[in-house]
Amino acid sequence: SQQGEEDPQALSIQEGENATMNCSYKTSINNLQWYRQNSGRGLVHLILIRSNEREKHSGRLRVTLDTSKKSSSLLITASRAADTASYFCATLNTGFQKLVFGTGTRLLVSP
Amino acid sequence: DTAVSQTPKYLVTQMGNDKSIKCEQNLGHDTMYWYKQDSKKFLKIMFSYNNKELIINETVPNRFSPKSPDKAHLNLHINSLELGDSAVYFCASSFNRGREQYFGPGTRLTVT
Repeated sequence: SQQGEEDPQALSIQEGENATMNCSYKTSINNLQWYRQNSGRGLVHLILIRSNEREKHSGRLRVTLDTSKKSSSLLITASRAADTASYFCATLNTGFQKLVFGTGTRLLVSP
Repeated sequence: DTAVSQTPKYLVTQMGNDKSIKCEQNLGHDTMYWYKQDSKKFLKIMFSYNNKELIINETVPNRFSPKSPDKAHLNLHINSLELGDSAVYFCASSFNRGREQYFGPGTRLTVT
């Protein structure tokens, strides 16, 4: 399967703490994207990092990419209860053919 | 204004029936997609259209037939529904294939 894997599968933290999620993938990529999915809703795009980039920031989000290890991480700083959701990484292969989603991390942020 | 909309939101039907799900985007995107999310939350692409042309057709039973009447619409028709078709189906769109995708709210299909 081409599907990427995310680690951990589930993460439970307190408000104010940082949350780190990791993603590993298998193929050469053009870019890697992170999405959030609230329960019962559609996915929302968070951030896109290109294969020639190593780090990217957006608000409280920090994404790193290590193409040599075929891995990425998403850091959410100063988490809030509203960050509770499932987070998915998705990779676009170099052929621009399709976005392959990871298995997701369920994040629970308790007040 | 809803960017990517899908109808219906819920669909409950019996095995053997034929059903359609409609998708519309008002973002001016040229690429649209159908994804299936199973009960374990695995999300997998089914089809993709670029400027009304089919560009991705994953290993999907031919009971599933997408139709794109124009760039803003991508519908999914399913014939002879089976229990295993029960899932949440998401429509998405993007401004060319390499960019971020915008997802609809999903259609929860339950086949009994």
